[in-house]
Amino acid sequence: DAGVIQSPRHEVTEMGQEVTLRCKPISGHNSLFWYRQTMMRGLELLIYFNNNVPIDDSGMPEDRFSAKMPNASFSTLKIQPSEPRDSAVYFCASRQGLGNSPLHFGNGTRLTVT
Amino acid sequence: DQQVKQNSPSLSVQEGRISILNCDYTNSMFDYFLWYKKYPAEGPTFLISISSIKDKNEDGRFTVFLNKSAKHLSLHIVPSQPGDSAVYFCAASGGRDKIIFGKGTRLHILP
Repeated sequence: DAGVIQSPRHEVTEMGQEVTLRCKPISGHNSLFWYRQTMMRGLELLIYFNNNVPIDDSGMPEDRFSAKMPNASFSTLKIQPSEPRDSAVYFCASRQGLGNSPLHFGNGTRLTVT
Repeated sequence: DQQVKQNSPSLSVQEGRISILNCDYTNSMFDYFLWYKKYPAEGPTFLISISSIKDKNEDGRFTVFLNKSAKHLSLHIVPSQPGDSAVYFCAASGGRDKIIFGKGTRLHILP
C-alpha cells in the first residue's frame, strides 16, 4: 500500500503564476479531501469528493481556487492566479466509504508564493 | 467561526507523566470525533476515535473521553514517551461527512 501520494512536495512560485497540486488517493478509496494548513487557521477543509463528484466546496477561499477529480485515482487543486497569502501546506486525504472511517493523509505540498 | 477549538497551542509534559490534550466543539450535529497526530514534514495520521454514543474509548496508552453536555473531549496519554512529541489535531464529523479539524496542540515530552 503506497499511501496517498502528493506532488510536488515543495512548490515555489511568483505571485500571479498558476499552481497545480496533484494527488493520487489510495486505491479503492472513494472519498477524497483537500485541506490547507496554516499557523493562523490550522487544518482547513477546502473541498471533498465522493465517487469523483464534488460534494462540498464551501471551504474553497476564492474563485482563484478550483479542484477536479477526473477519475478515481487522480485529483488536482489549481490556484490561478496565485497570491502570497496562498502560501501554506496543502494536504490531500482519502478514505474508504463515508461516515466514520478515518482519513489517510499524504505528506503534503508546501507552497510558497513570493 | 471555529467549530472545533483547541485552545492550547502547546503543552509540555515530563516523560512518564500523563499528557492531557483538550478540545471543544460548538456544533451539536457532530457525532463522531477523532484525534490525529502529526510529525514535521509528514501528513497527519489517525490515532483514536470515539462515537457520540460512548463517553470513553481506550487504545493502549491512549484514551479519549467525550462529555457531550459540555461539548468537550480530551485525549489522555499515559505514560508519555519521547515519541509522543508531535502536533495533535482534534477533528469532528457529522451529517454530510465533512471532517472539521481544530488548529492543533503541539506536545513536547521533556526528558
